[in-house]
Amino acid sequence: AQTVTQSQPEMSVQEAETVTLSCTYDTSESDYYLFWYKQPPSRQMILVIRQEAYKQQNATENRFSVNFQKAAKSFSLKISDSQLGDAAMYFCAYRSATGTASKLTFGTGTRLQVTL
Amino acid sequence: DAGVTQSPTHLIKTRGQQVTLRCSPKSGHDTVSWYQQALGQGPQFIFQYYEEEERQRGNFPDRFSGHQFPNYSSELNVNALLLGDSALYLCASSLGGPLAKNIQYFGAGTRLSVL
Repeated sequence: AQTVTQSQPEMSVQEAETVTLSCTYDTSESDYYLFWYKQPPSRQMILVIRQEAYKQQNATENRFSVNFQKAAKSFSLKISDSQLGDAAMYFCAYRSATGTASKLTFGTGTRLQVTL
Repeated sequence: DAGVTQSPTHLIKTRGQQVTLRCSPKSGHDTVSWYQQALGQGPQFIFQYYEEEERQRGNFPDRFSGHQFPNYSSELNVNALLLGDSALYLCASSLGGPLAKNIQYFGAGTRLSVL
């Protein structure tokens, strides 16, 4: 079974600064997807970024980028030029790309605070 | 374009009761997944419905059951409620069934409190 670990329960960043959230995972599969979801107080999970394991190039979406290290099974999220609206819970998630296992396996989350 | 909608937003029940939660998927989506998110935890997969059948199931007891209707909307039923069932229940929709590679889009959830 796959597991996802987020070792930082809380992180804080000043507005306009850069912060990196960590995620490690365990799997025996070679083909899979990794995601970062954001959950603001409104509770709705919002997709931030997706990485396909067979792609070596790190995904980027505007101020959000990832550092995907497949051999180390590490998938960190970097938020540049942090904004107050970035404050939320961030969840790392894994999904197999083979068979019928399309469920998402989530980590326990990192609460990000953004200060002035 | 309406996103994933869930009802009700909040619900309070007592132990032993039964509850039904509802989900309407994003327009054009045909697959619905349900997740349970306990306080301070990440979501846990309950099951997934596609073509009106349960296609995948997580480690949840038979007290948790579901249904998908021809219009792709879905219900989650929980019988004989326990205090430990108190959680945020999230619905996610996607396109193409379990084998598809498409992204899951989430609703805002139903907060269930069991007293």
